Amino acid sequence: QVQLQESGPRLVKPSGTLSLTCAVSGDSISNSNWWTWVRQPPGKGLEWIGEVFHTGKTYYIPSLKSRVTISADKSKNHFSLTLNSLTAADTALYYCVRNSGNSKFDYWGQGTLVTVSS
Amino acid sequence: QSVLTQPPSVSAAPGQKVTISCSGSSSNIGNNYVSWYQQLPGTAPKLLIYENVKRPSGIPDRFSGSKSGTSATLGITGLQTGDEADYYCETWDSSLSAGIFGTGTKVTV
Repeated sequence: QVQLQESGPRLVKPSGTLSLTCAVSGDSISNSNWWTWVRQPPGKGLEWIGEVFHTGKTYYIPSLKSRVTISADKSKNHFSLTLNSLTAADTALYYCVRNSGNSKFDYWGQGTLVTVSS
Repeated sequence: QSVLTQPPSVSAAPGQKVTISCSGSSSNIGNNYVSWYQQLPGTAPKLLIYENVKRPSGIPDRFSGSKSGTSATLGITGLQTGDEADYYCETWDSSLSAGIFGTGTKVTV
């Protein structure tokens, strides 16, 4: 059974940096899947942030591209999200997701709420 | 902001049918696969439909997907109170080189 688990600080200061890690079990990061981050501001809809392949290839949503980095660590079988220059608008539930191809987001983490506040 | 438009809400009585539309463009729905997700209150989204029409194992055939041109539709028949949730479409946008979700639709039974 594939499982994804997010971890990282829950409270980050404005202008600071958000760093989250997604531990993957039951599958290998090195397999032919894309590893994706999705967020959801409180009471709002889903927003695709970006994704990484085990080769290091990445795609990002243009609106966040200047502030975001997603990377994969094959040795630890996890992938990570870094988002800098934070504002209150970045407060959201952050999900890590497996994309097994053609937008098939078949496994989701439980999500972690990150609040940007001083 | 999303470029996939869904109706904010739809409702129907138990046992009835609802359809949820997802309207896009040639750069997204028109040339890429669409998937659909159900998000029950307080939970992570769950895959309902992928590659426009396919259902993962365990998803009942009450849920169906279709696509025509630059629009996609999710159908739910035999509505149950347990189907009350938010539903999102998703696809790849070739112009953005990014994934995009629809605006979301709340289903009330």
